[in-house]
Amino acid sequence: DIQMTQSPSSLSASVGDRVTITCRASQGISNSLAWYQQKPGKAPKLLLYAASRLESGVPSRFSGSGSGTDYTLTISSLQPEDFATYYCQQYYSTLWTFGQGTKVEIK
Amino acid sequence: QVQLQESGPGLVKPSQTLSLTCTVSGGSISSGSYYWSWIRQPAGKGLEWIGRIYTSGSTNYNPSLKSRVTISVDTSKNQFSLKLSSVTAADTAVYYCARVVAAAGRVSFDYWGQGTLVTVSS
Repeated sequence: DIQMTQSPSSLSASVGDRVTITCRASQGISNSLAWYQQKPGKAPKLLLYAASRLESGVPSRFSGSGSGTDYTLTISSLQPEDFATYYCQQYYSTLWTFGQGTKVEIK
Repeated sequence: QVQLQESGPGLVKPSQTLSLTCTVSGGSISSGSYYWSWIRQPAGKGLEWIGRIYTSGSTNYNPSLKSRVTISVDTSKNQFSLKLSSVTAADTAVYYCARVVAAAGRVSFDYWGQGTLVTVSS
């Protein structure tokens, strides 16, 4: 299995802050990575795929980058509706795996 | 607009089989380059991918659950289903069904059901 490790597990930030979440794979995944946002009691929502491609309808303040084993999700200016838990997911291998999640809380 | 809706018992006894169905509306389950997948999430925890099925019927399962999981598709009803046998309390979770778009360079869960809580308890 490819293990996905996110850091930090949680963070506190203020509206307007720039926020970066990191996802590290246990082996190279060739940009085969998606990011999801999940709010309490709701299903996850796709934000980005192929590490840096923005899903249609997702605000441009969300961006992704990385290569090999290390990837980041950046929110350029945190908005009130962005407080949520974020998950990375690799699809490089036949067995798809998620990171453990990063909870973004209000400071 | 594609919509997915999970249905099935919310309470299952230990050692029995959990059975859920996902009904797809707003599009044919047979069209396009899509997989159909199940994911679960225990309360307060992260997401665990359970398995997927292609409309051809080919399946892939999470090895940690493979011996207990069966995913099937009924194209005539535009549904796909999950069966998980020999359940224990550890299988208590919110279960989501999702569509997986599978195009060049892109494999991601783009549409999700709202999720259904399944509790394993006697």
